[in-house]
Amino acid sequence: NAGVMQNPRHLVRRRGQEARLRCSPMKGHSHVYWYRQLPEEGLKFMVYLQKENIIDESGMPKERFSAEFPKEGPSILRIQQVVRGDSAAYFCASSPSVQGNTEAFFGQGTRLTVV
Amino acid sequence: AQKVTQAQTEISVVEKEDVTLDCVYETRDTTYYLFWYKQPPSGELVFLIRRNSFDEQNEISGRYSWNFQKSTSSFNFTITASQVVDSAVYFCALPHDAGNMLTFGGGTRLMVKP
Repeated sequence: NAGVMQNPRHLVRRRGQEARLRCSPMKGHSHVYWYRQLPEEGLKFMVYLQKENIIDESGMPKERFSAEFPKEGPSILRIQQVVRGDSAAYFCASSPSVQGNTEAFFGQGTRLTVV
Repeated sequence: AQKVTQAQTEISVVEKEDVTLDCVYETRDTTYYLFWYKQPPSGELVFLIRRNSFDEQNEISGRYSWNFQKSTSSFNFTITASQVVDSAVYFCALPHDAGNMLTFGGGTRLMVKP
């Protein structure tokens, strides 16, 4: 049973380009969470999705950032017109349910560098 | 609002010393879970423990132990006889009541020197 898979592991983008980060949850998991870790900081929640629905996006920047979790395929975090301040590690986690605060399993992260 | 505070930003110890990492939290929930994660230099997040607020018994797993004190809203983590491989950033986390969205503390960087 493969864990949470994120790709790419490392992504370099020039300022103004688009970044697409992918997350395939663990088999049987229908809840996906995205977190951002800025350099030398802790992780901050960005968005929580279930299949085809955004449940909570209270941590998402209002502009340039979007997320989706389609019926088929991985969850995508999209950052348009990237800026240097977007350079960070982006982690995805998945869980099978929300009842009982089930442990969320994390992927290995995507490290975005904006040059 | 949920809040998790790890006051120690960096700790340096010599191998075989015991070390305690502090975690203090704020929540309005009456029942909740608390987590600890390890982030080694390679960058991934490794789950260490999840504790339910109902259970205040200390937990021990090998060289790791956790002390949960609901009265002081603390969930401290002790590594006994530290090893160089324990060098990592350690995060304490608390889920939002509506789901599994975690509020993380700022992390404590532990450096274990040979």
